[in-house]
Amino acid sequence: SQKIEQNSEALNIQEGKTATLTCNYTNYSPAYLQWYRQDPGRGPVFLLLIRENEKEKRKERLKVTFDTTLKQSLFHITASQPADSATYLCALGKQAGTALIFGKGTTLSVSS
Amino acid sequence: GAGVSQTPSNKVTEKGKYVELRCDPISGHTALYWYRQSLGQGPEFLIYFQGTGAADDSGLPNDRFFAVRPEGSVSTLKIQRTERGDSAVYLCASSLRSDQPLHFGNGTRLTVT
Repeated sequence: SQKIEQNSEALNIQEGKTATLTCNYTNYSPAYLQWYRQDPGRGPVFLLLIRENEKEKRKERLKVTFDTTLKQSLFHITASQPADSATYLCALGKQAGTALIFGKGTTLSVSS
Repeated sequence: GAGVSQTPSNKVTEKGKYVELRCDPISGHTALYWYRQSLGQGPEFLIYFQGTGAADDSGLPNDRFFAVRPEGSVSTLKIQRTERGDSAVYLCASSLRSDQPLHFGNGTRLTVT
């Protein structure tokens, strides 16, 4: 069955460092991959979308890579801040007409 | 409205009762999704609407769960004969198209006692 794994349930880093979160998948061929941020008691908020023919996308301090050979996406937050502390979810999608499938998420804690 | 609205934000019901959860999507969004999220887990897909029709209901766990979107905007998720295992946060999301980013509401926290 299809499976999405996010590298760890929790990641703790110091302010100013780069946070790197991993999303691996098996038995799936996504057309695109999305990353979301979720704060406690709130719904997920969209951050970045990357398609299967794209290697890298950037948005401000965020960078996402997508390697369809390794079946892996890396999500980087540079110059991390305590306000970046949240749970980050990766989600896979096929062509239009199908729903996103989410991983369990990684909870990032940035300490000052 | 500015975003996806879900009501109620919290619902406590007794085992065996019937509940309805409502979702108001962003105006103009044709795609609408229901997900369920348990503590420490990612959102679990339930059902996806394109317009008024259910394009994919493969995530509904059993026939106690049903959802409608009669006019292509507001959707209602209906759960019959609730069980304690149904307790979770039920999230609704909408998007312009199914391959576009999802806009989530803040969910309805359902507790079955």
